[in-house]
Amino acid sequence: QQQVKQSPQSLIVQKGGISIINCAYENTAFDYFPWYQQFPGKGPALLIAIRPDVSEKKEGRFTISFNKSAKQFSLHIMDSQPGDSATYFCAANNAGNMLTFGGGTRLMVKP
Amino acid sequence: DAGITQSPRHKVTETGTPVTLRCHQTENHRYMYWYRQDPGHGLRLIHYSYGVKDTDKGEVSDGYSVSRSKTEDFLLTLESATSSQTSVYFCAISSAGTLSSYEQYFGPGTRLTVT
Repeated sequence: QQQVKQSPQSLIVQKGGISIINCAYENTAFDYFPWYQQFPGKGPALLIAIRPDVSEKKEGRFTISFNKSAKQFSLHIMDSQPGDSATYFCAANNAGNMLTFGGGTRLMVKP
Repeated sequence: DAGITQSPRHKVTETGTPVTLRCHQTENHRYMYWYRQDPGHGLRLIHYSYGVKDTDKGEVSDGYSVSRSKTEDFLLTLESATSSQTSVYFCAISSAGTLSSYEQYFGPGTRLTVT
């Protein structure tokens, strides 16, 4: 049973556009929501994370929006660049240091 | 990759053979994890360790065992490899007792093919 559902599975965006990836969760005990970026042949790398006591966190061109009542959170990539082309995973922390991952979104930014 | 190495990086093995993957960290982090990555499934936790000789099962532990005899090393063993265990395996580490203790850092991965 997948406790974190991620959409879309793939996304194509033009350079300079906004990329939006969404995740929904079921377990209200989740208390930490990171996003990971993965390039082909590499391990996932922590991109940005948020805790449920805030509704938004921004780091450069990357923003997490968090809606606790809807149990949803999303990643926005502003001014998307070809170098942002990668697979993105959302995750949620439960029961201490345990992460449950979404299924991933393959982003392609066209020049 | 945050002071994490995995070996081997690639392996092809036959069905029924035992396989051991190694994860080595230089960060002295308390928690270590083994995940497998398959298309459409994201990363799924196999086993994790919260200290030397302290391990527990994750979501997809059947057919896998682990051992941690030193802080820096976490071994994943497939006792009798099956084709369904063909996957990319990632090790991750995490500290504990700090504000950023939930952050996990991943190694470069091991691509395992079972024929």
